Amino acid sequence: EAAVTQSPRNKVAVTGGKVTLSCNQTNNHNNMYWYRQDTGHGLRLIHYSYGAGSTEKGDIPDGYKASRPSQENFSLILELATPSQTSVYFCASGDVGGDAETLYFGSGTRLTVL
Amino acid sequence: GQQVKQSSPSLTVQEGGISILNCDYENDMFDYFAWYKKYPDNSPTLLISVRSNVDKREDGRLTVFLNKSGKHFSLHITASQPEDTAVYLCAAGGQGGSAKLIFGEGTKLTVSS
Repeated sequence: EAAVTQSPRNKVAVTGGKVTLSCNQTNNHNNMYWYRQDTGHGLRLIHYSYGAGSTEKGDIPDGYKASRPSQENFSLILELATPSQTSVYFCASGDVGGDAETLYFGSGTRLTVL
Repeated sequence: GQQVKQSSPSLTVQEGGISILNCDYENDMFDYFAWYKKYPDNSPTLLISVRSNVDKREDGRLTVFLNKSGKHFSLHITASQPEDTAVYLCAAGGQGGSAKLIFGEGTKLTVSS
């Protein structure tokens, strides 16, 4: 069974603070993704990666950075968190565009920025 | 603008009926189309997907219809059951081998018994 693990599950941060969301996958997938889910918007792509050392901007990258130090790990970094970044964040791994097209999602991180 | 759009935020169907969920997309380079299911407080999971070289795919009670000229695809669920109640997210991508997958806003399906 494919496994994508996110941490933390819940996070409360203060405006202006730094937040790091972590994601680990044991699927050996090349591609990893960060999405946020908001009512009325579905899942919106923030950043994605084709492999270790690579990060690509998604549709809503402003205010976020990403880091892919290894095949297994992909982090989302909010350097200066704002209340508008309060959301549920999902990490996923998969090989869309390749042979294994299914995206496997983590359980999500609920972030509240006060 | 929204590249992948689900115009119906909600849909209610009687148990045993056919649920039809619709999705429109803008980029005619997309060649991969998928439907994901999401229960509250859970992560999305893949239901069914198609490549652009087919216009229909069936899997049990699920059928995906793809209309490339109309930039539209749909999910039909026959014999709908209360456990089908969930949010359904359509997604498109794979253009030229790109790994980018774009999701629609979701449609909340309620199957009433």
